[in-house]
Amino acid sequence: GAGVSQSPSNKVTEKGKDVELRCDPISGHTALYWYRQSLGQGLEFLIYFQGNSAPDKSGLPSDRFSAERTGGSVSTLTIQRTQQEDSAVYLCASSLYIVGLVSTDTQYFGPGTRLTVL
Amino acid sequence: EDQVTQSPEALRLQEGESSSLNCSYTVSGLRGLFWYRQDPGKGPEFLFTLYSAGEEKEKERLKATLTKKESFLHITAPKPEDSATYLCAVQPLEGGSEKLVFGKGTKLTVNP
Repeated sequence: GAGVSQSPSNKVTEKGKDVELRCDPISGHTALYWYRQSLGQGLEFLIYFQGNSAPDKSGLPSDRFSAERTGGSVSTLTIQRTQQEDSAVYLCASSLYIVGLVSTDTQYFGPGTRLTVL
Repeated sequence: EDQVTQSPEALRLQEGESSSLNCSYTVSGLRGLFWYRQDPGKGPEFLFTLYSAGEEKEKERLKATLTKKESFLHITAPKPEDSATYLCAVQPLEGGSEKLVFGKGTKLTVNP
């Protein structure tokens, strides 16, 4: 079946502009995650959605970053007034979260959006 | 603070030369440990989940093992197509979040 898709695959923007990154999770997956991968760094957690609500947004680096999810499906990560340090690959993942499941479930990743801020 | 450290940062092997990658972790409680493979320009591809010390899982030339403090990814008789960055991640038991905490990865190159 179709995996996690992200768009655009590449985005080049000028410092100070706003950008929107989109994630389409695997059909039926209720949990959705955003991570950021900077050059030479590990994947850094940004935010987690369960349905349309975000129980954990602790990884958002500043108030310039926001995310929403509608209809329990598509999610958009918005970065306002972009800075050069925002340049990174933004990865989205989804998982089939089962309420009450003791063990964890697997997060499946999309191909990422490479953001370059000039 | 939950931490994951992977070693070595980079590893070069000749085709057929077996080796192991290390992932050591510090976490308040472990819900699961994950191994992913990442090719250049692509997202991480899931390989294994391990839940408790002593557990082992295998897939083709890869075998993952888990102790209370670390995990190993053993690669037996690797081929050039095994070249990739291998990522280790933990999911903490406490905190109520589903997030993964990743290491920086080991870049594996297998020469023919």
